[in-house]
This record gives sequence, C-alpha cells and structure tokens, in this order.
Amino acid sequence: DVKVTQSSRYLVKRTGEKVFLECVQDMDHENMFWYRQDPGLGLRLIYFSYDVKMKEKGDIPEGYSVSREKKERFSLILESASTNQTSMYLCASRAGGLAEYEQYFGPGTRLTVT
Amino acid sequence: AQTVTQSQPEMSVQEAETVTLSCTYDTSESDYYLFWYKQPPSRQMILVIRQEAYKQQNATENRFSVNFQKAAKSFSLKISDSQLGDAAMYFCAYRRTSSGGGADGLTFGKGTHLIIQP
Repeated sequence: DVKVTQSSRYLVKRTGEKVFLECVQDMDHENMFWYRQDPGLGLRLIYFSYDVKMKEKGDIPEGYSVSREKKERFSLILESASTNQTSMYLCASRAGGLAEYEQYFGPGTRLTVT
Repeated sequence: AQTVTQSQPEMSVQEAETVTLSCTYDTSESDYYLFWYKQPPSRQMILVIRQEAYKQQNATENRFSVNFQKAAKSFSLKISDSQLGDAAMYFCAYRRTSSGGGADGLTFGKGTHLIIQP
C-alpha cells in the first residue's frame, strides 16, 4: 500500500528557530513535493524535487529551503521561523514520467510559530 | 502561469441528493490533467477523479462524475446520491503534461467546503 509519512502531525516552534519538516515515501517515487495549505488560499507549491539532490522552486519558496539526500526522503527547512509561516504543510510524491498523474499525500504537519 | 478558480467557498446539500461543485481554470497549454481531491477532517488528501485534457469523454468514478468543457476551461464535479461521508473540502487542481524540465506540481483552487445535511 502506498505510503507517505511526515515526521510530526503538530509542531510548535518559536520565532527565529530553525525548523525541519521531514517526509518519507516508500514507493520509490522520483518526484516529491512540499505544499503549504492556508484557509481560503488552498494549497500552494513551495518546492519540488525530481531526483536526489535536485530541487526546483515552486510558487512560494521565500523563507524555505529543501534537502533531498536520499530518494525516499524530502526535507523542508525553515531557516529562521517566522509567525507568518504558521500553516499546514503537506508533502506529496509521484512516480517519474509526465504520464504519471497521481500525487500521493502525507497526513500533513500543522506548524505553529509563536 | 496557470490559475484555478473555485467560486463556491461552501456548499450544502441534503443527503441522497445531487450536488455540483464548480471549477474554472486558465492555461495556455493544450494538454494537461485536471483533478478533484477530497480532504476530510482527517486532513488526508484523497484523489477523487482525474481528467486528461485530450479526452473528450467525461470521467466517471462511481457516484462522482465531471463535466469537462475544454473550450470554456470549466471542470465541474457532480456528486450523486450524496452521503454523509462525502462531507469534506474539495479541491480542484491542474497539472500540465508538456515537457519542461523537472516535475511539475499541482496548481490548486482555494477549495469548496461541502456540507451534507442528514
């Protein structure tokens, strides 16, 4: 069964802290994504990766970075957390090839920055 | 850039009735995918249905069907015989299929909150 897991369901951090959100998929997918979900705004793409050590900016990359050292793991990094990064973060993965259509999502991490 | 618009922030329907959720999109691409995702209170995003733009036939999955109007750039979701378990946020999403280097993420609408009245 397809599975995408995220390290935490809920996370509370202080302003200025460095925050790591981890995502692991067990489907040997090439592509992995990080989205941010805010009420009234839907989901917005932060970064994606199409191979190990490869990454591309999405629509809202400012204030974030990512790391993909292994195929199954994709990390989102908030170098210095700010209150406007309080949000729900969703990770997803998809098999390689543009004909592959389905993205599989993790359960989300609700991050609060105080 | 592609945009996806869901003009109904909230919809309410009686159990067993039919409801239609609206979605319009803007793109200059000729080939792409369109999706409807469901997000129940558990927050797990679930793919409901997809449509390839090159296919004229509307996709159907059990009680869920779409009305895809390519020229009008419209992609509505019809839920027949609504059930209490259908209550959720529904997101319309777009992804291009043309090559362009790297993988492409999804562009989402803002969502429609569907309420099912017992």
